[in-house]
Amino acid sequence: NAGVTQTPKFQVLKTGQSMTLQCAQDMNHEYMSWYRQDPGMGLRLIHYSVGAGITDQGEVPNGYNVSRSTTEDFPLRLLSAAPSQTSVYFCASSYRASGGIGTQYFGPGTRLTVL
Amino acid sequence: GENVGLHLPTLSVQEGDNSIINCAYSNSASDYFIWYKQESGKGPQFIIDIRSNMDKRQGQRVTVLLNKTVKHLSLQIAATQPGDSAVYFCAENTGGATNKLIFGTGTLLAVQP
Repeated sequence: NAGVTQTPKFQVLKTGQSMTLQCAQDMNHEYMSWYRQDPGMGLRLIHYSVGAGITDQGEVPNGYNVSRSTTEDFPLRLLSAAPSQTSVYFCASSYRASGGIGTQYFGPGTRLTVL
Repeated sequence: GENVGLHLPTLSVQEGDNSIINCAYSNSASDYFIWYKQESGKGPQFIIDIRSNMDKRQGQRVTVLLNKTVKHLSLQIAATQPGDSAVYFCAENTGGATNKLIFGTGTLLAVQP
């Protein structure tokens, strides 16, 4: 299994540009999430999905869109990039355990810089 | 804006000593807790978890303690090794219908040889 994969690893955007961060998992996990991590801080939840066709907002959803058309893929879209979105983005997936989510497996991250 | 100058709490230990990393969580309804290790340039890696119906769980060289009364979680690492140097995060599952995982700000563990 490849686990959780993310592309690209690095990206530089200009303010106002749009782009999609890709995330895929091959573990047949129901739950997938996107986090951002800023210097010296923990991970903050952007959006998450409990299954194909179902998404919901996390702590910091503004400026980001997601969709979940398949179990495997969970892309994150930046519609109009802003410098405040400069961060490292992590995608994660987990199985569905009784009482909530199970152990989350994280991808390697995408380092995004917005100029 | 950016939190310029924000530094992680740091725990510095000697190789071979035991380490204790603490975490305070926010939601009394949280029912599942996880400790993650993050090495530089990598994504978080699962270490150990514990459910709210337990107060202690042991793994290989690691032990997690949960005190629900004061909403406190700790990670104990026995015989700390240089390879344990990383940032450690606790995370809580707020449970219920939300199933959100909320992370703490992290602690940097620096192991001195």
